Amino acid sequence: GESVGLHLPTLSVQEGDNSIINCAYSNSASDYFIWYKQESGKGPQFIIDIRSNMDKRQGQRVTVLLNKTVKHLSLQIAATQPGDSAVYFCAENEYGGSQGNLIFGKGTKLSVKP
Amino acid sequence: DSGVTQTPKHLITATGQRVTLRCSPRSGDLSVYWYQQSLDQGLQFLIQYYNGEERAKGNILERFSAQQFPDLHSELNLSSLELGDSALYFCASSVGRLPNEKLFFGSGTQLSVL
Repeated sequence: GESVGLHLPTLSVQEGDNSIINCAYSNSASDYFIWYKQESGKGPQFIIDIRSNMDKRQGQRVTVLLNKTVKHLSLQIAATQPGDSAVYFCAENEYGGSQGNLIFGKGTKLSVKP
Repeated sequence: DSGVTQTPKHLITATGQRVTLRCSPRSGDLSVYWYQQSLDQGLQFLIQYYNGEERAKGNILERFSAQQFPDLHSELNLSSLELGDSALYFCASSVGRLPNEKLFFGSGTQLSVL
């Protein structure tokens, strides 16, 4: 079965609010994590990644937090905009290091209300 | 635009038929990945090629095969098609061959088997 899962399959937020999308992983050996955004009719688009030697990484309006103790990953989107509406996937390298492949969770749908 | 090109965008065919999906990776990328996306299974890794050689295999059926050519483009062949093969098929590429780097996805081929 999949080792990556999501707590919330759907998330609805008001425009301008912050969004938090969560992801749990089960393989403690995983050392690379990545978030993708998929808009309707398009392929997954890279947002941000993080390696296990970090707890936090920031991009433009996005922050990824990694809690290795509880094997939890989150994506925070600041000042959410209608263009952020999409399905968000987390992924991990399943065995860590050079082994295995990127395994994707089932995704969380983010809907932004104007 | 990710730089990864997939053709065709849509494909409608009948059960028992064979189809070929084509992918051109980003310039400079040596790895090509194939993923299948269906509503109930999410993004499933099928196979990866690196510089012309198979590097990793996922949940790819025996009816499916792929190859990567000297110019680094790749083809995914699906034969003896069944209704359940209807899905979005994505190609992705990356510079290296390891699972700890970001992938760039194409826009996908929507396959409908009738």
